[in-house]
Amino acid sequence: GQQVMQIPQYQHVQEGEDFTTYCNSSTTLSNIQWYKQRPGGHPVFLIQLVKSGEVKKQKRLTFQFGEAKKNSSLHITATQTTDVGTYFCAGPEAGGGADGLTFGKGTHLIIQP
Amino acid sequence: KAGVTQTPRYLIKTRGQQVTLSCSPISGHRSVSWYQQTPGQGLQFLFEYFSETQRNKGNFPGRFSGRQFSNSRSEMNVSTLELGDSALYLCASSLEARGEQYFGPGTRLTVT
Repeated sequence: GQQVMQIPQYQHVQEGEDFTTYCNSSTTLSNIQWYKQRPGGHPVFLIQLVKSGEVKKQKRLTFQFGEAKKNSSLHITATQTTDVGTYFCAGPEAGGGADGLTFGKGTHLIIQP
Repeated sequence: KAGVTQTPRYLIKTRGQQVTLSCSPISGHRSVSWYQQTPGQGLQFLFEYFSETQRNKGNFPGRFSGRQFSNSRSEMNVSTLELGDSALYLCASSLEARGEQYFGPGTRLTVT
């Protein structure tokens, strides 16, 4: 079945440094969704990208969807302590597969002040 | 709008028992999905219901089942509990099948 891989698994950064997490799917996706989960909390929807090559920005966060619609990235500029958490990507397989929404295992962002 | 609610929030059961978890979606959302979250396996998709019909199913044994009612509320049942079923069970609702997910706070299940 469909697999979604995320790297790195953990990322330690100093506050103010940039952060990037990468997401790769084994199959073509209809769209890519990104979520953030704070420690002790539940995943919160951040954004959805639909078009091949699409780039969207939310303040310091930049999301990209690959041309082949199989990979994506999330880049955070000048990290702040409020960015701490686990970032997940998720995508439904193109063509309406029966697997539902497949999540990557997430990238844990740890920020050192 | 009120968010997704899940009950109970915490549950302790013993091996062999069964458990039923409940989820109330955001008003107007017809799709409800269930996920199991563990430190080792991450977020794993269990199943999705849309308008009372199971649309998608993950790779879990038949001990895991669910249903959705006409008011979109959903229940998930796990029979013959095993120690490995200990996890955070998250429910999420969305407007459309496999759409952007709005998660509830989860039910923390501990099997002893």
